[in-house]
Amino acid sequence: ETGVTQSPTHLIKTRGQQVTLRCSSQSGHNTVSWYQQALGQGPQFIFQYYREEENGRGNFPPRFSGLQFPNYSSELNVNALELDDSALYLCASSSDSGRIHEQFFGPGTRLTVL
Amino acid sequence: GESVGLHLPTLSVQEGDNSIINCAYSNSASDYFIWYKQESGKGPQFIIDIRSNMDKRQGQRVTVLLNKTVKHLSLQIAATQPGDSAVYFCAENGDGGATNKLIFGTGTLLAVQP
Repeated sequence: ETGVTQSPTHLIKTRGQQVTLRCSSQSGHNTVSWYQQALGQGPQFIFQYYREEENGRGNFPPRFSGLQFPNYSSELNVNALELDDSALYLCASSSDSGRIHEQFFGPGTRLTVL
Repeated sequence: GESVGLHLPTLSVQEGDNSIINCAYSNSASDYFIWYKQESGKGPQFIIDIRSNMDKRQGQRVTVLLNKTVKHLSLQIAATQPGDSAVYFCAENGDGGATNKLIFGTGTLLAVQP
């Protein structure tokens, strides 16, 4: 077990709605990255949070936002959901920024937008 | 743009045979590469990594080869077992290590026949 947990496991929303996904990082980890994985594709980097600040972002619009809390857990928020937002959302935690090789992934949240 | 791609989307092998999964990357500035295994319903799991100052690295039953001249990466799995059945992704560091950003390829499905 990696120790990274995500909730919920599955979620169904309709277009235009908002969604919040949650991630609990592994004990001792202060960095969380979020990825979107469309069916049959590799994960795409959304952004990274390090010590409660966003410190890296991929090619995703501003309606994708996040938070990191003092206990280093994190949330991913998506506003104005679109059909193409249907995907598996993965979070990964590590002990520090710039430590890719020590990054552990959670099982993901499967989001379906109807 | 940045991309990491795989030559073969599906690879079927017999149990006990050796498997070779290939990957092409486009960013010549990338200096760190990782292979991940993703089983159904789980997040990516680290297998092995290699830095650009190396050509080959071995782990338990796995070997990664890096050819920087042609920007090619491969994963060799010896004596493939049914438990090796999964989707395999290659990934490269997305921003030189400033963050934990990874750029993933689209994946290869490895199917091990008993």
